Amino acid sequence: KAGVTQTPRYLIKTRGQQVTLSCSPISGHRSVSWYQQTPGQGLQFLFEYFSETQRNKGNFPGRFSGRQFSNSRSEMNVSTLELGDSALYLCASVGQASTDTQYFGPGTRLTVL
Amino acid sequence: DAKTTQPTSMDCAEGRAANLPCNHSTISGNEYVYWYRQIHSQGPQYIIHGLKNNETNEMASLIITEDRKSSTLILPHATLRDTAVYYCIVRLVNRDDKIIFGKGTRLHILP
Repeated sequence: KAGVTQTPRYLIKTRGQQVTLSCSPISGHRSVSWYQQTPGQGLQFLFEYFSETQRNKGNFPGRFSGRQFSNSRSEMNVSTLELGDSALYLCASVGQASTDTQYFGPGTRLTVL
Repeated sequence: DAKTTQPTSMDCAEGRAANLPCNHSTISGNEYVYWYRQIHSQGPQYIIHGLKNNETNEMASLIITEDRKSSTLILPHATLRDTAVYYCIVRLVNRDDKIIFGKGTRLHILP
């Protein structure tokens, strides 16, 4: 099985711009979670989607949003970028069984200048 | 907030067993213990998980105390490629529970 894929792998934006990141889960996985990782805050949960519905949400401002498509692919969007949004954004997918684990993608490294 | 506490860093000699401790004193009966690791700038990698029995797979062993308030991840023969940050997480059996990562333990394997 192919793993979780994320595009793009690297991205440079300037303050005030917006960005869209994409995640394709493992085939058959319907749950996709997003995380932000920074050196200071570590891995922080952004949100989770299951069957096109947001099921859980972390403590991030409304500038961070996401969606999931019928094929389980997910996108996250950050509007009005700030310098502090520079981070590694990770996507993870989970299988159907109750004890299935999360499988992470390689991440998208976003740099905001 | 993370429900686990781990040492910030540990060293282990190459070829020796690496024993990484984790405290989860508030764990409830329907929460699993999961371990992940993250090699620099890569996505976290699943290692192992357990509920109350000890578990072993091709990567590691997980020892959970009888009261389930702590656990130890054992890498039996550490190699330089095991240098990573190791995260211990507790998570409800119900998949709907979001996963909260703590700061993890930075494991240095010394040649």
